[in-house]
Amino acid sequence: NAGVTQTPKFQVLKTGQSMTLQCAQDMNHNSMYWYRQDPGMGLRLIYYSASEGTTDKGEVPNGYNVSRLNKREFSLRLESAAPSQTSVYFCASSERQGDGELFFGEGSRLTVL
Amino acid sequence: GENVEQHPSTLSVQEGDSAVIKCTYSDSASNYFPWYKQELGKRPQLIIDIRSNVGEKKDQRIAVTLNKTAKHFSLHITETQPEDSAVYFCAASNNNFNKFYFGSGTKLNVKP
Repeated sequence: NAGVTQTPKFQVLKTGQSMTLQCAQDMNHNSMYWYRQDPGMGLRLIYYSASEGTTDKGEVPNGYNVSRLNKREFSLRLESAAPSQTSVYFCASSERQGDGELFFGEGSRLTVL
Repeated sequence: GENVEQHPSTLSVQEGDSAVIKCTYSDSASNYFPWYKQELGKRPQLIIDIRSNVGEKKDQRIAVTLNKTAKHFSLHITETQPEDSAVYFCAASNNNFNKFYFGSGTKLNVKP
């Protein structure tokens, strides 16, 4: 049982390049989330998906897009990366909407030069 | 939206002492308050949670208290051990909105 798997673990981009972070969970959870973690700022919600086919903005959605491909997969895309998007990104899932344990992936460290 | 504030940002204690981390929230509709522990380079993991219909919950050396009137909740770790050293995050959510809001984190250092 792998839980939440996200790829890649590390990525270096140049300003203006695009990339997609992939996330998949095998726990049959309905809700999935993308967070970014910056020093001293905790975990900030970028986008979330309450169920397959729905996505909503979180606290810091600017510069990102998401796709809930199916119940298992939730991807995060940076269309034109900026240095301010240098961060550690975590995907998470939960069984119930806004309730219960969040299961996190291992994180993806992104550096934008 | 919800605003969760967490204090202190760093906490250093001697092994065996107690540690207390405090959080406040702004949205009176929040009804679920989890605490996560993140070891260096690892993913956050849930250690304890409390719901708004309960005032206190304990699990071995860790406990959480909730004061709904004052909108604050606290994590208490007793008999701290070096393996308790980590960053701890509090969070608040309202299951009507499917959002978890996190505090900024407390780095706990337990000195042997």
